[in-house]
Amino acid sequence: GAGVSQTPSNKVTEKGKYVELRCDPISGHTALYWYRQSLGQGPEFLIYFQGTGAADDSGLPNDRFFAVRPEGSVSTLKIQRTERGDSAVYLCASSETATSPNSPLHFGNGTRLTVT
Amino acid sequence: GEDVEQSLFLSVREGDSSVINCTYTDSSSTYLYWYKQEPGAGLQLLTYIFSNMDMKQDQRLTVLLNKKDKHLSLRIADTQTGDSAIYFCAEKGTYKYIFGTGTRLKVLA
Repeated sequence: GAGVSQTPSNKVTEKGKYVELRCDPISGHTALYWYRQSLGQGPEFLIYFQGTGAADDSGLPNDRFFAVRPEGSVSTLKIQRTERGDSAVYLCASSETATSPNSPLHFGNGTRLTVT
Repeated sequence: GEDVEQSLFLSVREGDSSVINCTYTDSSSTYLYWYKQEPGAGLQLLTYIFSNMDMKQDQRLTVLLNKKDKHLSLRIADTQTGDSAIYFCAEKGTYKYIFGTGTRLKVLA
């Protein structure tokens, strides 16, 4: 079946601009995660949704970052007033449930964000 | 706090075994995972182990867990050039996954 889809695959924006990154999880997956991966690093947790609500947004770096999942499926990560330090690959992942032992994360291919 | 550490690089010859190591800090982690990342792609789940197990074997992959030392390893038997990638271990508590920095495996022909 279809995997986790992220669009766009690449985004180049100027410093100070607003960007939106989209994630289509696997159908039926209630848990959705956003991670950020900088060059040479592992994925860093940003936010976790269970259904429509953000159950844990403790990883969002500051209030320029916001994410929504209004209908419990597609999610959008929004970054205001982008800075060069926001440049990274933004990964989305979903799982059937967050707590089930046999429900691993499935990742999308990521959106590479470059802020110039 | 939560922290997962891995060595950065490993180089092996084709046909040899590879062993990638990982240490974690959260003793309440219920599951530990190994993911593989190829260039330009997301992370692909390889295997996982429940925290009350010592070992899990899955074809060419063997996972060993030493819960006392909080040490996890992934052994790849008969390593192939297609195994060249970055390997991440991850620990999971209730719902949150914490990833290591990744080990870049290079397989020499």
